[in-house]
Amino acid sequence: ILNVEQSPQSLHVQEGDSTNFTCSFPSSNFYALHWYRWETAKSPEALFVMTLNGDEKKKGRISATLNTKEGYSYLYIKGSQPEDSATYLCAFGGSTDSWGKLQFGAGTQVVVTP
Amino acid sequence: DTGVSQNPRHKITKRGQNVTFRCDPISEHNRLYWYRQTLGQGPEFLTYFQNEAQLEKSRLLSDRFSAERPKGSFSTLEIQRTEQGDSAMYLCASSPTSNNEQFFGPGTRLTVL
Repeated sequence: ILNVEQSPQSLHVQEGDSTNFTCSFPSSNFYALHWYRWETAKSPEALFVMTLNGDEKKKGRISATLNTKEGYSYLYIKGSQPEDSATYLCAFGGSTDSWGKLQFGAGTQVVVTP
Repeated sequence: DTGVSQNPRHKITKRGQNVTFRCDPISEHNRLYWYRQTLGQGPEFLTYFQNEAQLEKSRLLSDRFSAERPKGSFSTLEIQRTEQGDSAMYLCASSPTSNNEQFFGPGTRLTVL
């Protein structure tokens, strides 16, 4: 994989249900993997920066895992709430761009319905 | 204010006109980035400053685009002779030197008619 890919492109979740989605990225020259949440008309909000293979991070009901050897990360939302509705972006930072250039996926748009 | 701010939030212009956007980063952040997002895509890297030095520039940044960060604080992005293909959301982000977590502003949405 040369690019950053996210799937699915969008998903609809019933309030209270849990969900997860995927980010695939290049497995070579890995430096960091970022997750952002972007609500309409707001700034993208940093959720996690992950650097170690096997890393798991958690923030409230949202958690993420990282597999750098196979080049994927999962984001999980437990007990989805309407305020979780947003586009979730992942971004790959390569070791050749360790000064901070990020390569973003196209995002997964999550809509949580009451 | 502790966040990244961008002005204007929206800009509508006619093809051929020049536009300039401003980004005010978090005050203690040395690193500043510009990204562009078009419909259905993720943000794409445009350029990077460390303090006042522009250290990296994407091939996406044609000669019509210029960015400055004159005193190592705020930054401006100017697009000359705008084209319809320049219509996009322009995002600015800043980061402290010590790690690469980037803090984004709300963006400037440009529409070229």
